[in-house]
Parts: sequence; structure tokens; C-alpha cells
Amino acid sequence: ELKVEQNPLFLSMQEGKNYTIYCNYSTTSDRLYWYRQDPGKSLESLFVLLSNGAVKQEGRLMASLDTKARLSTLHITAAVHDLSATYFCAVDSGETSGSRLTFGEGTQLTVNP
Amino acid sequence: DGGITQSPKYLFRKEGQNVTLSCEQNLNHDAMYWYRQDPGQGLRLIYYSQIVNDFQKGDIAEGYSVSREKKESFPLTVTSAQKNPTAFYLCASSPPVRDTQYFGPGTRLTVL
Repeated sequence: ELKVEQNPLFLSMQEGKNYTIYCNYSTTSDRLYWYRQDPGKSLESLFVLLSNGAVKQEGRLMASLDTKARLSTLHITAAVHDLSATYFCAVDSGETSGSRLTFGEGTQLTVNP
Repeated sequence: DGGITQSPKYLFRKEGQNVTLSCEQNLNHDAMYWYRQDPGQGLRLIYYSQIVNDFQKGDIAEGYSVSREKKESFPLTVTSAQKNPTAFYLCASSPPVRDTQYFGPGTRLTVL
């Protein structure tokens, strides 16, 4: 059974600071996704990481994937209040068509002025 | 505009009732999914369908049923057998090539 663990689960940080969210998973997979969820809202796709060593960046967020370590990171650079949200990683179980994702519990990020 | 719609946005159910949540997509995606989210938790897969007239159970299928008669539609029925149905329900779809899933706005179900 695939397990996905995120840490930390809660993160409070000041504007302008850097921090990293970690996503560990228990079985082999070559595809990992990051999503953002604002309170009471649906999920928005942030990054798709498709291979070992993949790195994607969008604004102040950068995601990477190490399939050998079964680890993905979401790095936040110079945080701003607008980044406050819950961030989920999800791992693809590897079926040949469509995708079956297992989600982590989410990291609730609060960026304080 | 292409996208996924879910209705209703809010739904109230009395104990013992079955209710059906609607999910429609015009993205021409083959695969569709239903997830449940409880407060402060991640998403758990209820059912998924990779093609019309076919669907598979996810991790928490007990007390739920689905149908996939059309490519665009994947309704979820929450039956009276689901003992704790109060949750936020999210529908998603994805294209044939393994790609990210696109989520609808969700339905918040409350049992009275």
C-alpha cells in the first residue's frame, strides 16, 4: 500500500523568509504532483514532476523530485502573504492509463506580515 | 470555457436518505475520479473510471455508488449505508496520458 507523508503539517512563517516542505512516499513511483488548496476551495495544480531529478519553478515556489530517495520538496523563497494555503503532494500509483493518486495529509502554510 | 462542474455546492441529507452528487466535464477527458476530504485531512479516493461503462473502487468505496454512462458525466450516490457522510466531495478528471488531475469546485455534504 502506497503511503505519502508530508512534513511539516503546519507551518507558520514570516514574510520574506525561506522554507521547505517535504513529501516522502513509500513505494516506487516516477510521477509526483503538487497542489494548492485555499480554505473552502478546490485544488489547483501547481507542479507535475515526471522523472528523477525533475525541477520545476513558478514564482516563489520550486519543486523537485528524487525518485531514488522517494522524496519531493517544495521550496518557498521570500514568502508573501498570498502564499498562505494548504499544499498537498500526490503520488501516482503507476497505472498505464489515467492516473490514480495517493495524497499526503497536506501542509497548512500561514505567512505572517 | 472548458472545465469541471459539480452540483449542488451545498447539500443537506437526512439520515437514511440516498443523495446523488453531480459531476460534469467538457474537457474530453477519459478518466474521472471522486474524492472525499474531511476537515484538516488529505483526499481519499472513493471511485474512479478510466472509460465509459467501467469504474473501479478506490480506497473508501463502501457506502457509495457511481455510474459512467457518458464520457462527460460521473455521478456519485451517497447511500444510507455510508455511516459518516459529512465531508467535502471533490470530482476530478484527467486526460488519457498520465497527467495531473483537474478538480471541480466541490460539493459540501452535511448530514442533519
